[in-house]
Amino acid sequence: ETGVTQSPTHLIKTRGQQVTLRCSSQSGHNTVSWYQQALGQGPQFIFQYYREEENGRGNFPPRFSGLQFPNYSSELNVNALELDDSALYLCASSLDSRSAGNTIYFGEGSWLTVV
Amino acid sequence: GEDVEQSLFLSVREGDSSVINCTYTDSSSTYLYWYKQEPGAGLQLLTYIFSNMDMKQDQRLTVLLNKKDKHLSLRIADTQTGDSAIYFCAEADQTGANNLFFGTGTRLTVIP
Repeated sequence: ETGVTQSPTHLIKTRGQQVTLRCSSQSGHNTVSWYQQALGQGPQFIFQYYREEENGRGNFPPRFSGLQFPNYSSELNVNALELDDSALYLCASSLDSRSAGNTIYFGEGSWLTVV
Repeated sequence: GEDVEQSLFLSVREGDSSVINCTYTDSSSTYLYWYKQEPGAGLQLLTYIFSNMDMKQDQRLTVLLNKKDKHLSLRIADTQTGDSAIYFCAEADQTGANNLFFGTGTRLTVIP
């Protein structure tokens, strides 16, 4: 139990739709990172939010966007869904943006299927 | 950019040792990590090693780091059926958000 909760756990969307995934970080953590894990692949970094500001972004198009709220929970939004967006989306929280890996905690993920 | 490589599959008999290997490219990585992912589940941090160490032991797990060759390995002693999972090696990006770069994962199958 990492204290990082994600919702929904599973969802199915149609190509072209929009989706919002949510993450509650562990208590006291001000940094949230999002990762996409396609089937058979390792997780890939999408972006990180630190104190409500984007603090780094991986190689993902602008239709992937995020928010972090004053309580440090976070949302990942994906617009104009494509079939290749089908993946497990993982949220990770940490004490701050420079936390070492031993203090980065992952949620169980949200499984998104785009049909 | 960073590149982390692992072999895709490993099968071992229950009770034997498993060795999962990983090569990475970013020599400035401060920490290197091993994660475990069971079917349909999220990531569980198994262990990590600081870059100035050669070896770290934690119960049945032994991590070896060869910085010169940029090679990391995870040895699981007395492998059990519950160890069957996908194992990811990861390094941290030191230049920005301290995000993690993961390998493609090694699927470990333990044969009873």
